[in-house]
Amino acid sequence: DAGVIQSPRHEVTEMGQEVTLRCKLISGHNSLFWYRQTMMRGLELLIYFNNNVPIDDSGMPEDRFSAKMPNASFSTLKIQPSEPRDSAVYFCASSLGPHQPQHFGDGTRLSIL
Amino acid sequence: KNEVEQSPQNLTAQEGEFITINCSYSVGISALHWLQQHPGGGIVSLFMLSSGKKKHGRLIATINIQEKHSSLHITASHPRDSAVYICAVGGGATNKLIFGTGTLLAVQP
Repeated sequence: DAGVIQSPRHEVTEMGQEVTLRCKLISGHNSLFWYRQTMMRGLELLIYFNNNVPIDDSGMPEDRFSAKMPNASFSTLKIQPSEPRDSAVYFCASSLGPHQPQHFGDGTRLSIL
Repeated sequence: KNEVEQSPQNLTAQEGEFITINCSYSVGISALHWLQQHPGGGIVSLFMLSSGKKKHGRLIATINIQEKHSSLHITASHPRDSAVYICAVGGGATNKLIFGTGTLLAVQP
């Protein structure tokens, strides 16, 4: 089992650019979580999908952020346009269900200049 | 006041010591998670529990639902246990996790 796979591992881009983060779930998992980690705020849930359907997006900061699950094993988190305050580590996690242990990817370290 | 409070925020121990990290929460939960984050940044789920006690190797996690409190214990600590330990609680239909701020543990040889 390869675990949750995130790409890229690091991203540095200028403000105003579009950023796309990618996540491949563990095979058979049907719950997908996007988190953001910063020094100031720690870990925060951005959005949660179950069976490809967004269930809770209350953590998405604003309209610049969007997330999709085009199929059961893959998700994207897009920021457009990006701003320096979006700089953080973004984690994706998947689980067998909403009440099961979550398996985290290695994260994407995003720096917006 | 944060919904999930951890203590201590920082902990330095000598190799071999018994370590306890505490987590208190103020919301209703369906489960509590203990996570470990190493300096490289990766996050590993250590435990998910809703009652009683769980043990995995040198790690023990306990939870008291009535008191809304959980502890993570590490026996015979080792420098490789050095990491940030994060408590998170999940509840409601979506099991949305609310995270504590973490405890930075350094185990010195």
